[in-house]
Amino acid sequence: RKEVEQDPGPFNVPEGATVAFNCTYSNSASQSFFWYRQDCRKEPKLLMSVYSSGNEDGRFTAQLNRASQYISLLIRDSKLSDSATYLCVVNVYSSASKIIFGSGTRLSIRP
Amino acid sequence: EAQVTQNPRYLITVTGKKLTVTCSQNMNHEYMSWYRQDPGLGLRQIYYSMNVEVTDKGDVPEGYKVSRKEKRNFPLILESPSPNQTSLYFCASRPGQFYEQYFGPGTRLTVT
Repeated sequence: RKEVEQDPGPFNVPEGATVAFNCTYSNSASQSFFWYRQDCRKEPKLLMSVYSSGNEDGRFTAQLNRASQYISLLIRDSKLSDSATYLCVVNVYSSASKIIFGSGTRLSIRP
Repeated sequence: EAQVTQNPRYLITVTGKKLTVTCSQNMNHEYMSWYRQDPGLGLRQIYYSMNVEVTDKGDVPEGYKVSRKEKRNFPLILESPSPNQTSLYFCASRPGQFYEQYFGPGTRLTVT
């Protein structure tokens, strides 16, 4: 079983739709959580950090459920420019610097 | 402008010819990492560094070396590249262990 699992998609939704992604993690020592977006052949860019209380940035809302070990990302009123791959990233508390990336969820917004 | 830079951005080389990919950050970050990204395998950590002169292996370190002589620089060295090291490489930095990472623009390496 992968340490961080994401639905690979692709999700193909119309412009203006609301779309939600989930990501599950298996290591209970996970300490910090992030969503990144990655455009084709480009570097991952931080979309938002994810906090236990949940956090919102414009059309984007992230939630963390430590008990069930999953994080979610909600995109409202989706735009064509939201088309990208969304990566779930987990930092695990350990003696080493352990950062685990999900394999990504592809999102395609159609006009 | 706060950033992570990598050079070269594109490189085509031959098997066995030593190469270095440079990485530099201007944010005074403690942590730096190298990743490779391959289709279907996602991002995998090669090496990381927690500070000057402190480096350690990630998940796929075979065939790579790194050094951290200065805080801002973290070069990736391929002593004898092989075709299975053809990949997209990213350098990243972050201010602390549990903070967000900032990625460089990537280096696309082809080894023939």
